[in-house]
Order: sequence, then structure tokens, then C-alpha cells
Amino acid sequence: SQQGEEDPQALSIQEGENATMNCSYKTSINNLQWYRQNSGRGLVHLILIRSNEREKHSGRLRVTLDTSKKSSSLLITASRAADTASYFCATDSYNNNDMRFGAGTRLTVKP
Amino acid sequence: DGGITQSPKYLFRKEGQNVTLSCEQNLNHDAMYWYRQDPGQGLRLIYYSQIVNDFQKGDIAEGYSVSREKKESFPLTVTSAQKNPTAFYLCASSRGAINTGELFFGEGSRLTVL
Repeated sequence: SQQGEEDPQALSIQEGENATMNCSYKTSINNLQWYRQNSGRGLVHLILIRSNEREKHSGRLRVTLDTSKKSSSLLITASRAADTASYFCATDSYNNNDMRFGAGTRLTVKP
Repeated sequence: DGGITQSPKYLFRKEGQNVTLSCEQNLNHDAMYWYRQDPGQGLRLIYYSQIVNDFQKGDIAEGYSVSREKKESFPLTVTSAQKNPTAFYLCASSRGAINTGELFFGEGSRLTVL
């Protein structure tokens, strides 16, 4: 069963704008990760945030985690057409050997 | 270059046939995984293996089988018992247990049942 749920399901923006995607989950987690998938390709890891962290940056990416609300957000600043892809959040926990993926947000960045 | 190689990229199968999807990694990772992805959905875990000669069922193992005879290889067989096998299959690996870090993915294999 899926753990994370991304919101929105689809997002369309102009190049240069910021894109914000949200992820909610149901049970306590150890780590939360964000992955990117270009159409028909494998997933690529973007960033990992641990349950005791609140914010993390990597280049144009900013991830926040609010464990009290069981939610995370991924912000892509100054978006580019090449950022067009699906973005997935994934969570794992201390007690199992599984990583749960959401259904993803499909981001389209128009040039 | 280090990475995960899946083959074939596209595969067509007649109903009632078994097919095997290959997954090889040269990252020296202990753990390997198979996920299934259906259109508009997230990934669902089929099987995973944390060490050679050992593997565990995931959420949707019925109709699938795996083996882990070598650290580098984790083939997935889609059997005729799988009722709806048409999907995109992704293999992944990680250095240690899944809750310790990122997954590295292959490029996927798309299986279509005719």
C-alpha cells in the first residue's frame, strides 16, 4: 500500500517560476526522500531528509519536513523546462524493510 | 560506470508464458529490490533481497518469483499466475537496509501481455 500522497497530482508552470509539491504520509518515518522520474525512465534520487531534520537544501531544491503534520514539501526554484518530470516522495520506517512511494506529482515547465 | 542495468527494455509476452527480467548491478550493493509501476501510480514493492541467497516478499509478490544467487544479480520471473502483468518494472539497489539511504534505480523494463 502507498504511504505518501503527493499534492497536487499535476502542476503546470512557466519557466522561471517556483514549483511547490507536497507530500503527506500516515505513519511515523525514519527518512523521507524525494525522487524524480522522466517519462519512461528510472527514478533518480534528489534529496533525503531525516525525521530529526526540518529543512534541507540542494542546489535549486528545498525540502521541508513537519513530522507533527506528517507532511513534507519540495520546492524547486527558478524552474527550467528540463525540470519537467514526475516527482515522488518515499518514506521508510525503523520497523520494516520497505520504502513506500506516493503516486507522484507530474510537473510541466513551459518554456 | 557503476550502475544498474535492466534488460530487456521492452518485452512482449503471450498469455500463459513465463518471462524473466534481468537486473544486474556493479555498485557492490547488498540490497536489491523489484518494484512495479502502473500508469499514474506510485511504485509497489514485489520482492526484495538484503543478502545473497535470501529474499523477502513485498506487497504484491503473488505471481512473481526471484532468485539471488549472486550479489550482482536479482532476476525477476513473471509467471503465468500473475493475472495482470502488463506494467513497468523497476529494479533498484541500496548499500544497506532500505531505511538507511537512497535507492539507485535501473531504467526499467516495460512488459506488455498480448
